This record gives sequence, C-alpha cells and structure tokens, in this order.
Amino acid sequence: GAVVSQHPSWVICKSGTSVKIECRSLDFQATTMFWYRQFPKQSLMLMATSNEGSKATYEQGVEKDKFLINHASLTLSTLTVTSAHPEDSSFYICSARSRLAGNTDTQYFGPGTRLTVL
Amino acid sequence: KQEVTQIPAALSVPEGENLVLNCSFTDSAIYNLQWFRQDPGKGLTSLLLIQSSQREQTSGRLNASLDKSSGRSTLYIAASQPGDSATYLCAVRLRYGGATNKLIFGTGTLLAVQP
Repeated sequence: GAVVSQHPSWVICKSGTSVKIECRSLDFQATTMFWYRQFPKQSLMLMATSNEGSKATYEQGVEKDKFLINHASLTLSTLTVTSAHPEDSSFYICSARSRLAGNTDTQYFGPGTRLTVL
Repeated sequence: KQEVTQIPAALSVPEGENLVLNCSFTDSAIYNLQWFRQDPGKGLTSLLLIQSSQREQTSGRLNASLDKSSGRSTLYIAASQPGDSATYLCAVRLRYGGATNKLIFGTGTLLAVQP
C-alpha cells in the first residue's frame, strides 16, 4: 500500500525558534497534501491543503505566516512552524492524496510528528 | 458547518465481546465516510470507506454502516481482541462547494479491550 513518511517523528525546541517538518509520499505521487494538528485527547483539525506547485489554502483561524507550507514536488511537502511558542506544541499529521486513476478519494496518513516547544 | 460527533468517548469491554461505535454528522451532503484507527502517538490507519451511495462495508471482523439521511454511521467490531485497543475516528468527506477535498474528523472513541 501507499506509504507516507514524516520527519522528524518528534522534536523539542526552544520558544522563538523555527521548526520544519517534512512529509513524503514514498511510492506514489501526491497531487494534494493536507496538514492536520491534534491536541491531546482531541481529534484532528485540518490546518491547510496544498497542491503541488501552488500556494496552500489555509483553514479559518490558521495563521499562514506562522505555519509556512511548501509543496515543491509531487512527493514532498514541508510545514515550517515559525517563531514557535509553547502553545504550538501539538501532534502534526500530514496526509497525501494519491494521484492514481480511480483512487482520488483515498488519503494516506503519515505517522505524525510530536512537537514540544519549551 | 459540518460537525461530526462520536459516542461513546471511551469504552472498555472484556475480550470476545461484540461492540458498536457510533458516529453522527450534521450535514447529510457528504461524499463518503471513513473509519480510522489511531494507536497512541501514531498516525491513522484507514479501516473502512463507505461511499455516500452505499449502506455498509465489511472487512474481516469489522462492519461499518451508513445512514446518510439520518446522519449516522456505526462501526461494529465482532469478537473483540486486546489488539483492537485504540482510538477509532470517523471522518466525513464534504461534497459541496470547492471543499470536496476536506475530511472532517469526529471526536473519537477510545476503546480498551481487556484480556
């Protein structure tokens, strides 16, 4: 099956620094990638949707200047949390939609990245 | 605005029991509904996907039903095992507007199967 990887799996950083999280589709091309965040014991909340080669579409309430998303290729999207603060500590999960014909509904999820901001 | 709710929030059962997890959504204009499993600190594993035109889907010991008109879905797990312990999430994919890409997730049910 299709595999989505994320790197790093966990990161601890100081307040005010920036952190980049990578999301890769390993064995398929993803025209669309999604970024979610999940607080403890809560569900996934969609942050933004990105299509390869174009600007990401952010959900209401998500600061685009704080959460920079780049979808430079059909297999790689990055999320950069700029000037991170403790309230940004969360579990970030990416998801990729397969470009395979007849499979446009399926999203494959990465294993997540645990961000802790001190 | 689509809202997805899951009941119960947590459930503990002895091994071998059959159980039902519930999911309700407020807007019936959905493209499909999906059930996921999430282990602690991990990503999501897709279990079953039901298209809006379908009534149910089965995979092994799992059976998911969909009643779009009433805004409900159930996930039935037969002969539960300790390995089934996880958080189960349902998610609906919106149909209308330009938002057919979006998955809206429910609040989740934390399942513990006691050996």
